[in-house]
Amino acid sequence: GAGVSQSPRYKVAKRGQDVALRCDPISGHVSLFWYQQALGQGPEFLTYFQNEAQLDKSGLPSDRFFAERPEGSVSTLKIQRTQQEDSAVYLCASSLNSFYSNQPQHFGDGTRLSIL
Amino acid sequence: GIQVEQSPPDLILQEGANSTLRCNFSDSVNNLQWFHQNPWGQLINLFYIPSGTKQNGRLSATTVATERYSLLYISSSQTTDSGVYFCAVESRSNYQLIWGAGTKLIIKP
Repeated sequence: GAGVSQSPRYKVAKRGQDVALRCDPISGHVSLFWYQQALGQGPEFLTYFQNEAQLDKSGLPSDRFFAERPEGSVSTLKIQRTQQEDSAVYLCASSLNSFYSNQPQHFGDGTRLSIL
Repeated sequence: GIQVEQSPPDLILQEGANSTLRCNFSDSVNNLQWFHQNPWGQLINLFYIPSGTKQNGRLSATTVATERYSLLYISSSQTTDSGVYFCAVESRSNYQLIWGAGTKLIIKP
């Protein structure tokens, strides 16, 4: 597609449930990023993939958070045993190749996750 | 790590006014991006501007890398310009975008 696509756009889950958020990057983009944005704040880095390799997961807040990109294209962010503090907008971004920098990151519309 | 500070935190203007938003960063960066987050939460790329000046319609941006700041200019503001403007930088040591807290802009008709 023309841009980064994320689904679902909104997700409501009960505390303790598992959720899966999907990201379709721009075709041909090597790098993929996940960010978490709490209400009223700027996004914060979660994890980074270059193709299928997860090169950095230092921003994942706990071991309940897991991300994968098995074929180097679509990525899924999974949150297990959700907690209320997981409520946020989850943003996915892709770039042509940020490993060597000089490439802008393009963002999807995000998934707004609400944990009841 | 790199610190990114944006000012002012809030700005309320009448339609038609001009504004300047500032982004200061504490260390050398590989790149800098300006984003507009509209009231529906969509993040829109405005400029990719590690240095120099760029213009796009009523918006322009200047980054002075040696002095570690960037400015975003909005001329002849429209109500659709309302939202939060974020500056984000990529440090030389990694590829993560480090974000400022944003400037919340409200344009009144």
